Formats: sequence, structure tokens, C-alpha cells
Amino acid sequence: EIVMTQSPGTLSMSPGERATLSCRASQSVDSNLAWFQQKAGQAPRLLIYDASTRATGIPARFSGSGSGTEFTLIISSLQSEDFAVYYCQHYINWSITFGQGTRLDIK
Amino acid sequence: QVQLVESGGDLVKPGGSLRLSCAASGFTFSDFYMSWFRQAPGKGLEWVSYIDIRGSSTNYADSVKGRFTISRDDGKNSLFLQMNSLRVEDTAVYYCAKGHTMTSPWGQGTLVTVSS
Repeated sequence: EIVMTQSPGTLSMSPGERATLSCRASQSVDSNLAWFQQKAGQAPRLLIYDASTRATGIPARFSGSGSGTEFTLIISSLQSEDFAVYYCQHYINWSITFGQGTRLDIK
Repeated sequence: QVQLVESGGDLVKPGGSLRLSCAASGFTFSDFYMSWFRQAPGKGLEWVSYIDIRGSSTNYADSVKGRFTISRDDGKNSLFLQMNSLRVEDTAVYYCAKGHTMTSPWGQGTLVTVSS
């Protein structure tokens, strides 16, 4: 099983700042990587798929990059509605696993 | 718009069974793979299963293989998850989702509690 490791576990930032979230795979997943946002009491929402493609309706301040084993989600200028938990997820070899999540808190 | 509504969650004893349903609308259901995910209370996300178009191929997480069965009824735009031999560790909110790689959207989930 491919293990996804996200860092940091918690990120405390202020509105307007740039947030950088990382995700590492235990073996290459090529570009088969997605990012999800989950707010308290809500279902996850797809932000990015294929490592760098924004899903429909996702603001341009969200961007994804990387391939192989190292991936990054950048939120260029944090808005109040962006404070949530973020998960990376791979989908390769007929298997799907998630990272443990990064909680993005308001400082 | 695309809508997914799960139902069937309940309190069940260990060893028991439950069948979850997911009613889909707003898209051509028969054209898409469909998936189930779950989230234990206060924990992260876990993929459970997906089913291909026409239901001819399915795949399961090791944690549920042999106990859970995914199926679909394209005539009723519905997805199902039959859960047998339930364990305490199966307690979670179960979500259905459109797709199997690019999964979007997800439903709001239904809570399954396995406890004696």
C-alpha cells in the first residue's frame, strides 16, 4: 500500500498570507494526486486533480504542483473561508489512499 | 445540479449487517464510476470501494474486502453498499461520490455506528 504523508500537521496562518501544504508518497504515484478541502461538519470538496488541475469552480488562488512522490498545494492569499482541513489522495494501481490531513487554522 | 443523497445509516451490533443507499440526480448516472468513502469520528478519510460503469468491475479496500459489496441500479440512479460482519472499527460517516479518481461531488454522508 502506498502511504501518503502530509506536512505540517497543523498550520496557523493569518488571512492574506500564502499557505504551502506538502504531501509525500512512499512510492511514485506519477501525477495521480488530488487535494480535498473539508470544513467542519461538511463533506470533502475536490480542489485539485491530476496534481495540478483545478476542479470546476475552484478559485485561482488554489494551485497544485508536483509529480512522482512530492506534491504541494499553495493557497496564494488566504481568505477566511479557506481555514479547514486539507487532504491529499493518490489514485494509482487500482488503489486509493489519503494523507492524514493538514489542519489550517487562523492565527 | 449534481446531487448525491446517502441513506441507511443506523446503529447496529457487531456482526450485524446494513445496506447503504445513495440516490443520484443531476447527471447521467450510468456514464460514471461511483465510489464509497468513510470517515471515522474525528479521523481522516478512507476509501472503501468503487464500481465501474455497468457494474462489471469492483474494487475494495483491504479493510472491507470480503465483507462489503458495492452495487448499482442504473435504472434507479442509485448506488448501494451492502455491509456484512460489521465491526466496531467500521463506525464512520459513509460518503458516496461521483467518479473514482476525480471524485466530485460527495454526498453529505450517513452515519453508521457499530456498537453493542
